[in-house]
Amino acid sequence: EVQLVESGGGLVQPGGSLRLSCAASGFTFSSYEMNWVRQAPGKGLEWVSYISSSGSSIYYSDSVKGRFTISRDNAKNSLYLQINSLRAEDTAVYYCARASPRGYNYGYAYWGQGTLVTVSS
Amino acid sequence: DIQMTQSPSSLSASVGDRVTITCRASQNIGNYLNWYQQKPGKAPKFLINDASSLQSGVPSRFSGSGSGTDFTLTISSLQPEDFATYYCQQSYSILGTFGQGTKLEIK
Repeated sequence: EVQLVESGGGLVQPGGSLRLSCAASGFTFSSYEMNWVRQAPGKGLEWVSYISSSGSSIYYSDSVKGRFTISRDNAKNSLYLQINSLRAEDTAVYYCARASPRGYNYGYAYWGQGTLVTVSS
Repeated sequence: DIQMTQSPSSLSASVGDRVTITCRASQNIGNYLNWYQQKPGKAPKFLINDASSLQSGVPSRFSGSGSGTDFTLTISSLQPEDFATYYCQQSYSILGTFGQGTKLEIK
């Protein structure tokens, strides 16, 4: 059974940092492209970042570029999101999402349960 | 970046109704259009990819159509469990932008 379990969220002050993790199981993690998607309270889904299966190709939304860093450790079946210089507008549930076996063009079939990041003083 | 616009933003309907949600892309995205269903406090559920390919286990009352810039999600006969928020997403670009969502509520 495919499982994605996020962790690392919490309450952080503006300007602070957090490292989110996504532990994957039930599939060959190293073969799949991965993404982070976030959802502010009461708002819609926002794509945040993409990483290829090898980690060699990375993309970010304009709203997080320069502040967020996506990475993966295929030996540990884990995906990460380092989030720095946090702002109030970064408050959201952060989901990791696995791309289709055919790649990002075919949607995200599996999602974690999400981890909440709250930015507040 | 490719912008996705859904309409309506909200919709009230009754059990048994046929409903249609529309999604428009700011440029031609071919058939690279996905639909998701999300219930409160839950992760999104993948319904359709390639504009019209139903995921395994998704009831056949759900269907998708369209290509290029205009797409629709249709639920042929609403069931109580279908009341949720629906999102389209383009996957033509790696930057997989979502529509703003359509909240389907019980009338």
